[in-house]
Amino acid sequence: GESVGLHLPTLSVQEGDNSIINCAYSNSASDYFIWYKQESGKGPQFIIDIRSNMDKRQGQRVTVLLNKTVKHLSLQIAATQPGDSAVYFCAENNKGGNSGYALNFGKGTSLLVTP
Amino acid sequence: DADVTQTPRNRITKTGKRIMLECSQTKGHDRMYWYRQDPGLGLRLIYYSFDVKDINKGEISDGYSVSRQAQAKFSLSLESAIPNQTALYFCATSATGGSTDTQYFGPGTRLTVL
Repeated sequence: GESVGLHLPTLSVQEGDNSIINCAYSNSASDYFIWYKQESGKGPQFIIDIRSNMDKRQGQRVTVLLNKTVKHLSLQIAATQPGDSAVYFCAENNKGGNSGYALNFGKGTSLLVTP
Repeated sequence: DADVTQTPRNRITKTGKRIMLECSQTKGHDRMYWYRQDPGLGLRLIYYSFDVKDINKGEISDGYSVSRQAQAKFSLSLESAIPNQTALYFCATSATGGSTDTQYFGPGTRLTVL
């Protein structure tokens, strides 16, 4: 069936470097994508979202890029800090599925920021 | 997110016991969701509700039931808990907004079934 997946399960970066977390999706009907950050012991926290009529959206230190041609989504974190260490999930709205607009989550990428 | 609360935060129970997990929200959202999270599997949807009179099964509803007692409350029940229901359970809420359906999550309940 349709799925959202991540290219790398773990990513280690040095403090101050930029981080790029990638996500592939396969549901061409999806028109809304979200990135969540989950710290240990906490629930997923909204970071940034993007609609399919956009290819780039910027937030504070984060940028999401959407390439609909290859069904690819990425999250870029500038000047990565120790507090950015967490698991990052991409999610798509499950259009065409049987759960209305409930989100379909990827399996997550663990980001580790080293000093 | 303090606007979405879950109780209990941790629970250990035995096989066959009935368990209820509670979720409350003060965000005024009409949509609520229950997910479970297992290592390496991300979050999977159990049930969702778009308003008080609406209940829908998600991807993995077998063995679970829900009750939407009020707009602000959505509870998840395991009628007869089994060990493979050991997981992290998250409640989420969202406002009606078509495809811009950002969901906000509670802190989670860690359930262990022995």
